Amino acid sequence: KAGVTQTPRYLIKTRGQQVTLSCSPISGHRSVSWYQQTPGQGLQFLFEYFSETQRNKGNFPGRFSGRQFSNSRSEMNVSTLELGDSALYLCASSLGTGFGHNEQFFGPGTRLTVL
Amino acid sequence: GNSVTQMEGPVTLSEEAFLTINCTYTATGYPSLFWYVQYPGEGLQLLLKATKADDKGSNKGFEATYRKETTSFHLEKGSVQVSDSAVYFCALPDSGGGADGLTFGKGTHLIIQP
Repeated sequence: KAGVTQTPRYLIKTRGQQVTLSCSPISGHRSVSWYQQTPGQGLQFLFEYFSETQRNKGNFPGRFSGRQFSNSRSEMNVSTLELGDSALYLCASSLGTGFGHNEQFFGPGTRLTVL
Repeated sequence: GNSVTQMEGPVTLSEEAFLTINCTYTATGYPSLFWYVQYPGEGLQLLLKATKADDKGSNKGFEATYRKETTSFHLEKGSVQVSDSAVYFCALPDSGGGADGLTFGKGTHLIIQP
């Protein structure tokens, strides 16, 4: 069974631009979560989508948004990029929602660099 | 929300040494606890988990016991290998209901020298 895939793997943008990252979950998984990983803040939860609905959102500004399609694939968008948005963005999928008892399977991440 | 504190390292050990990575948590109730591992250039992989007090999670020679008295979930391995070099994260659900994502420690960079 194929794992979680994320595209693109690397991305370079300039301040003020917007970016869209894509995540394809493991087949059959209906929950997709996104995390931002930076050296300073570590891993931080962005949001979770389940059955095309945003279930939860972390403490990030409205410039960060996402969506989920009927095939469970998910995209996240960051508008008006800032230097501080440079990070590794990780996607995780699981069979169901609820982080206490549904194992999260992570993709390799998209490395975003904002110049 | 819930939180976790772990030693950040880097931790450098020789092959076959004993490993302990400390993790303590603050939580409402008794959430599941996790250890994830991140190898260079890869995403996170679940290493082991424990779902209730006194549970011991184990995988690939690694072990961790859920201690509610000391609110700890320390990771141990009796004899490390070069291939264990990676970053290790302790994690738990952000809230008691398990609905608000996972909260991770800062990560411990482990370096095993031959």
